[in-house]
Amino acid sequence: QSALTQPPSASGSPGQSVTISCTGTSSDVGGYDYVSWYQQHPGKAPKLMIYDVNKRPSGVPDRFSGSKSGNTASLTVSGLQAEDEADYYCSSYAGSNNLVFGGGTKLTVL
Amino acid sequence: EVQLLESGGDLVQSGGSLRLSCAASGFTFGSYSMTWVRQAPGKGLEWVSTIGPSGGSTFYTDSVKGRFTISRDNSKNTVYLQMNSLRAEDTAVHYCARGYRQPDYWGQGTLVSVSS
Repeated sequence: QSALTQPPSASGSPGQSVTISCTGTSSDVGGYDYVSWYQQHPGKAPKLMIYDVNKRPSGVPDRFSGSKSGNTASLTVSGLQAEDEADYYCSSYAGSNNLVFGGGTKLTVL
Repeated sequence: EVQLLESGGDLVQSGGSLRLSCAASGFTFGSYSMTWVRQAPGKGLEWVSTIGPSGGSTFYTDSVKGRFTISRDNSKNTVYLQMNSLRAEDTAVHYCARGYRQPDYWGQGTLVSVSS
């Protein structure tokens, strides 16, 4: 199972919005609504930020939103804050009891 | 509060074995699938294995099939990953996570280093 494709980096100034894409295939992102996004700060465990494409767990700011179109999912962070600087990973259920992750995107707040 | 605490990581020679443990608390352990995900140094996340709530269903990524075995003891709220025939490419921080298709809570990880 191939990894999902994410841009290696993204950036924005405080207060701006940034969108990170996650491209898969009809066998994973396009075939299921089990798309999630994780935030990982250096040396820390991943934290679930979005699940079921566009749902936020309790405690996640509404500045974080998710969407999907065809085989591509997206994470948008609005009103960028310094603490949003981290690595972001998408994941998708890929059928046949497989889970696949993206390669990760390093978000820099300028 | 959901807590997951991994242990068992170590430096081991190629071909060796290790057993990782993940002790869970703060939720009804026997009601959830549990998953292991690993992250090689400086690399991204990779799904390794998942076990169903009763332990009757287990799933593995292709690269570890036949070498790794996931199991659980619901009386001890603990999930295990037995790792045999370890290779240099297994070097990674191994995370335990709650859930299956979209793991929601993750432990802090335990480092497995395999020397060749």
